Amino acid sequence: DAKTTQPTSMDCAEGRAANLPCNHSTISGNEYVYWYRQIHSQGPQYIIHGLKNNETNEMASLIITEDRKSSTLILPHATLRDTAVYYCIVRVNAGNNRKLIWGLGTSLAVNP
Amino acid sequence: DTGVSQNPRHKITKRGQNVTFRCDPISEHNRLYWYRQTLGQGPEFLTYFQNEAQLEKSRLLSDRFSAERPKGSFSTLEIQRTEQGDSAMYLCASSFPGPGETQYFGPGTRLLVL
Repeated sequence: DAKTTQPTSMDCAEGRAANLPCNHSTISGNEYVYWYRQIHSQGPQYIIHGLKNNETNEMASLIITEDRKSSTLILPHATLRDTAVYYCIVRVNAGNNRKLIWGLGTSLAVNP
Repeated sequence: DTGVSQNPRHKITKRGQNVTFRCDPISEHNRLYWYRQTLGQGPEFLTYFQNEAQLEKSRLLSDRFSAERPKGSFSTLEIQRTEQGDSAMYLCASSFPGPGETQYFGPGTRLLVL
């Protein structure tokens, strides 16, 4: 089972920031938080990941709470092309247990 | 394009036929993963390779499924005696080991079994 919980769906106005929450209350100290998104009928697209510190790249920002039990993905200026299902996944990067365990994600609709 | 590629992109077959899918990972990536995704669900892990060694297989990978990565580069996933329940998107991902190891996905192969 997935170790994360996310809202089923969210709406956002075009041009506004989209803030997607994720709860991972059972996260272990060596587990990373990964975010992917999947636009209809395409393969998942990597967005960002982090361990403890907040991270930012050209696509998004990742804010991880100090206790690491939750995180928020921020798309600073959402566009229509950001409409997708967003998945939050936690995974340890050690040993032979390398698989990603996916939940149902959050379906984000960006509206004009 | 130097991303993960998968062929074919779409496959329609009749129940009972065998099908084979191919995945070409990003060239310097030595880890390769197969996932399956059905409509409305997140991807489910099937198996993963490090170089040519198959290190983990899901219980989802029944005896009808076999995956190979003979030279540690491209991989094939074969489904024998397909069933209608095999209809799904088959996704391949690759990664390079490291602390922040990230899996990059291909476009997927969509299989429809009639």
